[in-house]
Amino acid sequence: DAGVTQSPTHLIKTRGQQVTLRCSPKSGHDTVSWYQQALGQGPQFIFQYYEEEERQRGNFPDRFSGHQFPNYSSELNVNALLLGDSALYLCASSFTGEVNYGYTFGSGTRLTVV
Amino acid sequence: KQEVTQIPAALSVPEGENLVLNCSFTDSAIYNLQWFRQDPGKGLTSLLLIQSSQREQTSGRLNASLDKSSGRSTLYIAASQPGDSATYLCAVLGSNYQLIWGAGTKLIIKP
Repeated sequence: DAGVTQSPTHLIKTRGQQVTLRCSPKSGHDTVSWYQQALGQGPQFIFQYYEEEERQRGNFPDRFSGHQFPNYSSELNVNALLLGDSALYLCASSFTGEVNYGYTFGSGTRLTVV
Repeated sequence: KQEVTQIPAALSVPEGENLVLNCSFTDSAIYNLQWFRQDPGKGLTSLLLIQSSQREQTSGRLNASLDKSSGRSTLYIAASQPGDSATYLCAVLGSNYQLIWGAGTKLIIKP
């Protein structure tokens, strides 16, 4: 049973460019959340997708956008990249009907902006 | 606004010792609390999840407790091993379905 899969694992981009990160949730999960983790800090919530719509959003600018597909997979898009966007981006999946069963995380995408 | 604090930020102990990591939160209205492990440059591995109605959970050498009224959780690691070296993070799930995280405790087990 595959867990959460994220791609790519590493990415280097130039300031001002755009990037798309991808996530496939754990089998049976229908909700995908995205987190940004800067070095030495805990993850920060970006947004959550359920039924192909953004259900919750953290304190991130509109440069951060996302999408969820009918198969529950998700993309995170970041436009006009800044040096400060360099971080580990984590995807977590869960089943909305069983929120108390917790979240399963992927291995993350390491984004470096130069 | 929920805030999660982990103390200490770093801990170094000799192999074989028992140790306790602490996590505190300011809002007791939570669904659950999870402890995660993160190896350098890697993703998050869930260790234990405690529902708001539970007091503790155990998995192998790990035991996590939850005291909602005081806003505290502890992760107890018995007979520590060098392979336990990692950063340990706690996160609480609130009514808005967002996980709020501590900054983590970096644990080093010396052989």
